[in-house]
Amino acid sequence: NAGVTQTPKFQVLKTGQSMTLQCAQDMNHEYMSWYRQDPGMGLRLIHYSVGAGITDQGEVPNGYNVSRSTTEDFPLRLLSAAPSQTSVYFCASRPPGQFTEAFFGQGTRLTVV
Amino acid sequence: AQSVTQPDIHITVSEGASLELRCNYSYGATPYLFWYVQSPGQGLQLLLKYFSGDTLVQGIKGFEAEFKRSQSSFNLRKPSVHWSDAAEYFCAVTYTGTASKLTFGTGTRLQVTL
Repeated sequence: NAGVTQTPKFQVLKTGQSMTLQCAQDMNHEYMSWYRQDPGMGLRLIHYSVGAGITDQGEVPNGYNVSRSTTEDFPLRLLSAAPSQTSVYFCASRPPGQFTEAFFGQGTRLTVV
Repeated sequence: AQSVTQPDIHITVSEGASLELRCNYSYGATPYLFWYVQSPGQGLQLLLKYFSGDTLVQGIKGFEAEFKRSQSSFNLRKPSVHWSDAAEYFCAVTYTGTASKLTFGTGTRLQVTL
């Protein structure tokens, strides 16, 4: 049972480069989210989705794009990386409802130089 | 906006001592509250959750949490801490109408001394 799979695990980018962080889940969960984790800031919500074709912005969406063409996949795109985007990124999925457990990937550690 | 506050950034306890981690949620509609734990280099794992009913909730690994509406709090407790409990702990909340938006606090890092 794979759960939530994030790739890559580590990435170094130069300022201005673009890349896509991949997230896939095999639990048929409708809700998916991207968070970034920075020291002392906890997990901050970047974008989230309630199902295929529907996405919304979280607390810190600037500099990131998402799309949700299938239930399984929720990629996060950095169009022009900046040093401020150096962080650990987590993808999570949940079944629909207020009281459901979130399942997290192992994270992607991104460094922008 | 929905939010949770974890006032303690870092807590150190001795092995065998009791533990209480604080969490306060923003007042509003009925909150759905969660505690997650993150071991070093890992993703997050659910410890317990609360929506309604008995205000004392039992979770995994011997943890419990008490919901106090009058104080807008959902504090996590453990009677006797083990060295393996050293980790970062996050409180999280959703609300009716924003079910898909799970908001986390800033976390409390727990250090356990032997």
